[in-house]
Amino acid sequence: GAGVSQSPSNKVTEKGKDVELRCDPISGHTALYWYRQSLGQGLEFLIYFQGNSAPDKSGLPSDRFSAERTGGSVSTLTIQRTQQEDSAVYLCASSLWRDTDTQYFGPGTRLTVL
Amino acid sequence: GESVGLHLPTLSVQEGDNSIINCAYSNSASDYFIWYKQESGKGPQFIIDIRSNMDKRQGQRVTVLLNKTVKHLSLQIAATQPGDSAVYFCAVKNTGNQFYFGTGTSLTVIP
Repeated sequence: GAGVSQSPSNKVTEKGKDVELRCDPISGHTALYWYRQSLGQGLEFLIYFQGNSAPDKSGLPSDRFSAERTGGSVSTLTIQRTQQEDSAVYLCASSLWRDTDTQYFGPGTRLTVL
Repeated sequence: GESVGLHLPTLSVQEGDNSIINCAYSNSASDYFIWYKQESGKGPQFIIDIRSNMDKRQGQRVTVLLNKTVKHLSLQIAATQPGDSAVYFCAVKNTGNQFYFGTGTSLTVIP
């Protein structure tokens, strides 16, 4: 079946602009994660959704970052007033449940803030 | 929390040789460990996992070893092939259910 998809694959924006990144998880997966991967760094956890529960936002670096998951499926990560340090690859992953199943990753969105 | 690190940022091996990639973690309560492979321009791909009640698990050409005493995890790739060239990193889950990722080891296979 189809894997996790993300769009756009690349996004170049100017400092101060808002951006929206989209993630389509694998159908039937209840858990969805967002990570950030900066050059030379490990994956940094941002936010986690599990079913209809309140999301775990403990990894969001600032209040400029927010995410939604509509209908328990598609998720959008929004970065407001982008800064150059926001430049990174943003990865989305989904799994059947949170801690007992493999996370399947999307190809990522490469964000460049000029 | 958790701190996850890899011993070598880069590793070069001859085609056909075995590769060993290492990872160290800090939280003795960590209970689930995963190795991922990431090729250029792609998302991480699951390779193999192991739970804390085991010390060894084998897959196709890959073996993961877990030493809980020294909090060390390794990935062994047998008969390394050019297609194995990628960045490999470990992910560690603690009892808080959050995953922590290492920075990755870039494996280059020399034909």
